[in-house]
Amino acid sequence: DAKTTQPPSMDCAEGRAANLPCNHSTISGNEYVYWYRQIHSQGPQYIIHGLKNNETNEMASLIITEDRKSSTLILPHATLRDTAVYYCIVRGASGSARQLTFGSGTQLTVLP
Amino acid sequence: KAGVTQTPRYLIKTRGQQVTLSCSPISGHRSVSWYQQTPGQGLQFLFEYFSETQRNKGNFPGRFSGRQFSNSRSEMNVSTLELGDSALYLCASSLTGEAYNEQFFGPGTRLTVL
Repeated sequence: DAKTTQPPSMDCAEGRAANLPCNHSTISGNEYVYWYRQIHSQGPQYIIHGLKNNETNEMASLIITEDRKSSTLILPHATLRDTAVYYCIVRGASGSARQLTFGSGTQLTVLP
Repeated sequence: KAGVTQTPRYLIKTRGQQVTLSCSPISGHRSVSWYQQTPGQGLQFLFEYFSETQRNKGNFPGRFSGRQFSNSRSEMNVSTLELGDSALYLCASSLTGEAYNEQFFGPGTRLTVL
């Protein structure tokens, strides 16, 4: 079972920042937070991941709260091509927990 | 660097047949995982291979099997196909498969069972 809770859908205006929340209140100390997105039944695309610290790459920023019970994915300047289902995943460090368990995700729609 | 490639991209089979799907991971990646995606069940983990050995297995019947070759390429096989096996089959590769290494997905193979 997915260990995360995400809103089913969100809208964002083109050019504005998209902030996607994720709740993972039962996360353990050695579990990572991963974000993927999937556009129209293509393979999921890796976005970013983190353990404790905030992370930033060319696609997005990941903000993890100090207690690690929630996180926010930030797309700084959303474009129409960012419309996709976004998955927040908690990934364990050993055994079968290392595999990605996808929940329902958040359908982000970027509006012109 | 080339991404994960999967062949074929589309496949149509009939019930009772078997099918083999292929996955070539990113160069240097030794871990390959397979997932099944259906509208009803979402994305579900099938199995992971590392260094030619199955390291983890999801909750699928024995009709689903796989293997990995010495060059890290992987195949999965589904025998005695059922209508419910119609799905998008995704392969993901990772450097070592550890939690701190990203998994990168291929485009998938769309299997339709008639």
